Amino acid sequence: AQSVTQPDIHITVSEGASLELRCNYSYGATPYLFWYVQSPGQGLQLLLKYFSGDTLVQGIKGFEAEFKRSQSSFNLRKPSVHWSDAAEYFCAVGAGLTGGGNKLTFGTGTQLKVEL
Amino acid sequence: DAGVIQSPRHEVTEMGQEVTLRCKPISGHNSLFWYRQTMMRGLELLIYFNNNVPIDDSGMPEDRFSAKMPNASFSTLKIQPSEPRDSAVYFCASTSAGTYVRGYTFGSGTRLTVV
Repeated sequence: AQSVTQPDIHITVSEGASLELRCNYSYGATPYLFWYVQSPGQGLQLLLKYFSGDTLVQGIKGFEAEFKRSQSSFNLRKPSVHWSDAAEYFCAVGAGLTGGGNKLTFGTGTQLKVEL
Repeated sequence: DAGVIQSPRHEVTEMGQEVTLRCKPISGHNSLFWYRQTMMRGLELLIYFNNNVPIDDSGMPEDRFSAKMPNASFSTLKIQPSEPRDSAVYFCASTSAGTYVRGYTFGSGTRLTVV
């Protein structure tokens, strides 16, 4: 079964500082990996995704993530955080289409606070 | 595109009452998912449908929960009878089966409070 671990429950950074949110996954084959963001009172919005190819993927709002198979990680990064980035961030893993349909398993989330 | 539409946005009900949550997926999407979000357990997949057929309902907590998808444009999640521990935010999401790699589109959720 696939699983996702986000080891940091809360992270606080200063505006303008760099950000890295950690995500480790468990899946037997090549996973499909996603990062979502949730603002208060809202649903989840897709930031970026990885399926194959270049292991560094770019997303919306200036975010990027790097897939590292050897570490089973898919960490989310942003060079300079803006106050509007304060939200909860979820990493998710999906099986390939022949390996379990299109079900995503989400991590428990990381709450990001941005100090001005 | 109006996105995934959930109703109601907020629901407050008394313990023992029946609660029905509704979801309209994006037109053309043929996979629909119901998730529950709580502080303690995070996002849990309750059930999902492909082409209106339930594929995996292993996440449904107990028999008090049931879900239906009578057609491609509508789904319901029902709790009968409701209990205080059912209080949570319930999300519906949709995608196109076979192309879910684009990710899900989530609704804004229904915040359920059972008192």
